[in-house]
Amino acid sequence: NAGVTQTPKFRILKIGQSMTLQCTQDMNHNYMYWYRQDPGMGLKLIYYSVGAGITDKGEVPNGYNVSRSTTEDFPLRLELAAPSQTSVYFCASSYGPGQGRSTEAFFGQGTRLTVV
Amino acid sequence: AQKVTQAQTEISVVEKEDVTLDCVYETRDTTYYLFWYKQPPSGELVFLIRRNSFDEQNEISGRYSWNFQKSTSSFNFTITASQVVDSAVYFCALSEAGTDKLIFGTGTRLQVFP
Repeated sequence: NAGVTQTPKFRILKIGQSMTLQCTQDMNHNYMYWYRQDPGMGLKLIYYSVGAGITDKGEVPNGYNVSRSTTEDFPLRLELAAPSQTSVYFCASSYGPGQGRSTEAFFGQGTRLTVV
Repeated sequence: AQKVTQAQTEISVVEKEDVTLDCVYETRDTTYYLFWYKQPPSGELVFLIRRNSFDEQNEISGRYSWNFQKSTSSFNFTITASQVVDSAVYFCALSEAGTDKLIFGTGTRLQVFP
């Protein structure tokens, strides 16, 4: 019963480095999301995907890229890391709305990223 | 625009006290969904409840209860007889029908002291 799995759990990057945050889910959910959580703030949506091959920007997409080649995986790519990207990143998945319904999102454990 | 406001940044109570966490939302849609998530010190996000905009019945689950009032655009969360294990950050969130994208409030940190 893995649910949503994120790796790594912690990472320190130097300014200008790149990395990929991995996210995989085993619930056959169509929808997947990346959020970031800054101290004292709620979570903000970075990117989301409604199915394999389809991605779209959220509220704060600058500095990030995503891809969705399979239903299970939704990696988040950081190019040219900046101190402003220091945050906790959460991947989530859900079945997706049907007939106007909204379903709850299941979250991974989070990745704490520090850019120095 | 959609917005969720949790005006209480931090609340401290002593065990067994009742505590209410406030949530006020803004949306222009007639169909929407409201959520509460718990984030314990370990950091994960735990789903607590989902309500749709057409169901204003209050809900009770053990020591937890939720009061949804469309007239005041509020979806408040009450913990009865709080326990130390309730210490966490609680987030209220909103999504519109047709999308599962969540708009989060800034969270309320609840500390329950023995």
